[in-house]
Amino acid sequence: GAVVSQHPSWVICKSGTSVKIECRSLDFQATTMFWYRQFPKQSLMLMATSNEGSKATYEQGVEKDKFLINHASLTLSTLTVTSAHPEDSSFYICSAVGSGGIYEQYFGPGTRLTVT
Amino acid sequence: DAKTTQPPSMDCAEGRAANLPCNHSTISGNEYVYWYRQIHSQGPQYIIHGLKNNETNEMASLIITEDRKSSTLILPHATLRDTAVYYCIVRAIYSGGSNYKLTFGKGTLLTVNP
Repeated sequence: GAVVSQHPSWVICKSGTSVKIECRSLDFQATTMFWYRQFPKQSLMLMATSNEGSKATYEQGVEKDKFLINHASLTLSTLTVTSAHPEDSSFYICSAVGSGGIYEQYFGPGTRLTVT
Repeated sequence: DAKTTQPPSMDCAEGRAANLPCNHSTISGNEYVYWYRQIHSQGPQYIIHGLKNNETNEMASLIITEDRKSSTLILPHATLRDTAVYYCIVRAIYSGGSNYKLTFGKGTLLTVNP
């Protein structure tokens, strides 16, 4: 149980375009989801926290207008990187915390974004 | 959240126990100790957590000192697939929303050698 999926697993896009990444909790309802970013040889950095049905809370230094987060249902959150630039190339990872006993953070497999 | 300190890297022979230390000297009474690991190019995987008692599950054991200022994650019989970065994280026990936030440090790269 407690499986989190992400789609796509990798994506290449051109500079200036937007990319949407989906995060789904497959076998539990996720009341809270988190989005992280990880650059090569670095640790995970939290970008934002999203609760179902409410606006996301962004960490300091993360542009909310650039990284749009939508948590429209208890099993789906999306991260849209708008007007992507090469410096946005990174490994994006989501995690989910559920209800009904699923109180640990379970992580998705990550999405590798490359902006050319 | 309290800060943790871990050695940057460790080696272990396959089949032997891997003991990964973590210092969290500023931990407060309302914080858990969590352990996650991240295999290269994958999302982190939850391993175990504890408050003050020792804990064991199918993956590992967690030993927390009586003063709670340090802990050790034990993989009893390490395999090559256990090669990963192991993160020790302290987190508030309160449930709800941002209280679940995890702050990742640099972790320990455990290399299991054949």
